[in-house]
Amino acid sequence: NAGVTQTPKFRVLKTGQSMTLLCAQDMNHEYMYWYRQDPGMGLRLIHYSVGEGTTAKGEVPDGYNVSRLKKQNFLLGLESAAPSQTSVYFCASNQRGTVLSYEQYFGPGTRLTVT
Amino acid sequence: LAKTTQPISMDSYEGQEVNITCSHNNIATNDYITWYQQFPSQGPRFIIQGYKTKVTNEVASLFIPADRKSSTLSLPRVSLSDTAVYYCLVGDPRALLQAGTALIFGKGTTLSVSS
Repeated sequence: NAGVTQTPKFRVLKTGQSMTLLCAQDMNHEYMYWYRQDPGMGLRLIHYSVGEGTTAKGEVPDGYNVSRLKKQNFLLGLESAAPSQTSVYFCASNQRGTVLSYEQYFGPGTRLTVT
Repeated sequence: LAKTTQPISMDSYEGQEVNITCSHNNIATNDYITWYQQFPSQGPRFIIQGYKTKVTNEVASLFIPADRKSSTLSLPRVSLSDTAVYYCLVGDPRALLQAGTALIFGKGTTLSVSS
């Protein structure tokens, strides 16, 4: 199992450009999340999905859009990048179930710089 | 959500035992205490979870007193590779498993291990 993978690993954008970050998981998890992590801070939730075809806003959704057309993939889009979106982006997933585990599985991250 | 407080940083030498304490005075009845580890340029990784008393796995031990208002992550005989940020999280696994919910990461404790 590859777990959670993210593409690309690094990207530099100019202000106003657009891009899509791809997250894929092979664990058949229902729930998927996009977080951002800024220097010296914890992770903040951007958007999440509780199943194929569904998405919801998290704590910091402005400037981002998401789609979950397939259960295993969760896409994060930036339509018009801004320097404030310079960050490290992490995708995560977890199962739906009854075994009491507070575990989410994280990808390796995408480091995005907007100039 | 229960707020957690942990030291910003700790230093240790190889071979020593490291104990990181987390305070969570407002922990709720259904909340579990979970610790994540994050290496530089990687996503967070679940390492241990507990509800009360003591839990031990191949990586660490977690000590939780009867009042559950604090917890201590114990890393036996640390090595250079244990240098990482350690996060204490408190939350209800049912919320994660049944509805999908964000994990709330604070700033964590940066552990630096020297030779």
